[in-house]
Amino acid sequence: DAKTTQPNSMESNEEEPVHLPCNHSTISGTDYIHWYRQLPSQGPEYVIHGLTSNVNNRMASLAIAEDRKSSTLILHRATLRDAAVYYCILRDVTGGGADGLTFGKGTHLIIQP
Amino acid sequence: GAVVSQHPSRVICKSGTSVKIECRSLDFQATTMFWYRQFPKQSLMLMATSNEGSKATYEQGVEKDKFLINHASLTLSTLTVTSAHPEDSSFYICSASWDRGDVQYFGPGTRLLVL
Repeated sequence: DAKTTQPNSMESNEEEPVHLPCNHSTISGTDYIHWYRQLPSQGPEYVIHGLTSNVNNRMASLAIAEDRKSSTLILHRATLRDAAVYYCILRDVTGGGADGLTFGKGTHLIIQP
Repeated sequence: GAVVSQHPSRVICKSGTSVKIECRSLDFQATTMFWYRQFPKQSLMLMATSNEGSKATYEQGVEKDKFLINHASLTLSTLTVTSAHPEDSSFYICSASWDRGDVQYFGPGTRLLVL
């Protein structure tokens, strides 16, 4: 699987936007970029995913670089409930969903009140 | 959204006993279910992949005779930790997906403590 690189931790203030970066310089043409987050003592939660175009949903936005070698998860207005570990994961679409996810260390997002 | 439940949420057992953990997809039929393990301060590690009605596929280093997986229906998979030892104490998390499986939906996890 292609590897992703994320900062170990980031800190932001409540009600401010948060930009979480992810580098994936060895991404292949069939890799989707997925983001999951894990709140303390809970299972991971799907956030968003995309292939080439920027994506928006009710939780976040995903901005994908034109060369696809990096992406940024954007939380438009962080709340204390967004404090979690955020994982950027590449998923090969040709696998048909049969493969498990490979979690890296993720980014520990700290939200200050 | 899709909901996955796990039972029990936490369990304490004596060394040498077996523990069964259930994973259910509540509002969808899961063609594939996955089992992960997470030790303290570490990331999730995939243990095995199971498809309904067929044998599970285990990741390298995971003992299939110790971690028995049964995926008897499209909404239920079970993980049995046999002859549990203290080093098996961990957070066990399942996930489920359907169709092409673009997204995995995770259960809340089961915290196992083996004394």
